[in-house]
Amino acid sequence: KAGVTQTPRYLIKTRGQQVTLSCSPISGHRSVSWYQQTPGQGLQFLFEYFSETQRNKGNFPGRFSGRQFSNSRSEMNVSTLELGDSALYLCASSVGNMAPQYFGPGTRLLVL
Amino acid sequence: DAKTTQPTSMDCAEGRAANLPCNHSTISGNEYVYWYRQIHSQGPQYIIHGLKNNETNEMASLIITEDRKSSTLILPHATLRDTAVYYCIARTGANSKLTFGKGITLSVRP
Repeated sequence: KAGVTQTPRYLIKTRGQQVTLSCSPISGHRSVSWYQQTPGQGLQFLFEYFSETQRNKGNFPGRFSGRQFSNSRSEMNVSTLELGDSALYLCASSVGNMAPQYFGPGTRLLVL
Repeated sequence: DAKTTQPTSMDCAEGRAANLPCNHSTISGNEYVYWYRQIHSQGPQYIIHGLKNNETNEMASLIITEDRKSSTLILPHATLRDTAVYYCIARTGANSKLTFGKGITLSVRP
């Protein structure tokens, strides 16, 4: 079975721009979660979607948003990029509660 | 979710067992213990999880103490490719969020 895929793998943007990252979960997985990893803050939870509904949300500003499509694929969007948004953005999928989350390789975003 | 505490780092010799400890003294009865690892700049990799019984899979064994206040991840025959940061996480089934701490850096030496 194919794993979680994320596109693009690398991205360079400038301050003030917006960016959209994409995640394709493992087939049959309906839950998709997003995480941000930075050297200073470590791995932090952004939000989780299940059956196209946001079910859980971390402590991030409203510039960070996401959505999930009927095929369980998910996108996250960051508007008005700041230098501090430079990070590795990770997507994880799961069949649901209590099941393990499986992570993709991440998208590395650099904001200049 | 209960806070977990891990040593900062440890090392072991290649071919030997690596025993990675984790304390979760405030864990509640419905919280599972999950272990993930992250090899530099890659996405975290799920290893194993358990509630109260010991668990084993093709990657590792998880030993949870009877009072559930601590656990140990055992890699039976460590290889150089097991060098990574290992995270111990406690979470309930109802909570989709994984709260990562700093983890423990395992260095496997030749």
